[in-house]
Amino acid sequence: TQLLEQSPQFLSIQEGENLTVYCNSSSVFSSLQWYRQEPGEGPVLLVTVVTGGEVKKLKRLTFQFGDARKDSSLHITAAQPGDTGLYLCAGFTGNQFYFGTGTSLTVIP
Amino acid sequence: NAGVTQTPKFQVLKTGQSMTLQCAQDMNHEYMSWYRQDPGMGLRLIHYSVGAGITDQGEVPNGYNVSRSTTEDFPLRLLSAAPSQTSVYFCASRGVLNTGELFFGEGSRLTVL
Repeated sequence: TQLLEQSPQFLSIQEGENLTVYCNSSSVFSSLQWYRQEPGEGPVLLVTVVTGGEVKKLKRLTFQFGDARKDSSLHITAAQPGDTGLYLCAGFTGNQFYFGTGTSLTVIP
Repeated sequence: NAGVTQTPKFQVLKTGQSMTLQCAQDMNHEYMSWYRQDPGMGLRLIHYSVGAGITDQGEVPNGYNVSRSTTEDFPLRLLSAAPSQTSVYFCASRGVLNTGELFFGEGSRLTVL
């Protein structure tokens, strides 16, 4: 059973466009993380959000944790080719991180 | 800093063969885990350990065994490989805090024929 569903699964956009990736669940998480993974490498942490309604910004990336701590979103402004990769959300519950299904982003120059 | 080191990076097995994927970390993390990554399914937890001598099952434990004799090492054993175990395997470690970052190895790509 996949606790976290991400949408869209694939996204291909032109450089300079904006995009939003969604991470949804029916479960409540005590914290939620976003990771980015490049081909042939392991995922690398981008951000951790802990409080319901929390918004964090990392340069052109904006992360939001839902008020009920069941969902999250990642918004990228003016995407660049260096943003290309697999984006994974991970929710923490029961002493474990459960990962989402992943969103593969391609930014075309 | 080596971080989390996995070996081998690539392995091809025949159905029924056994093998061990090695994982070592040098960050003195108590928590270590194994995930498998399949297309469209993200990362799924196989087994995890919260310290030496303690292991527990994750979401997809069947067909895999683990042990944790030291803080540094957490090997994953496939006793009788099946084609359904073809996947990319990641070892990860973290500090105890639930907001702690997971540090991943580079992955081990396993193909079972």
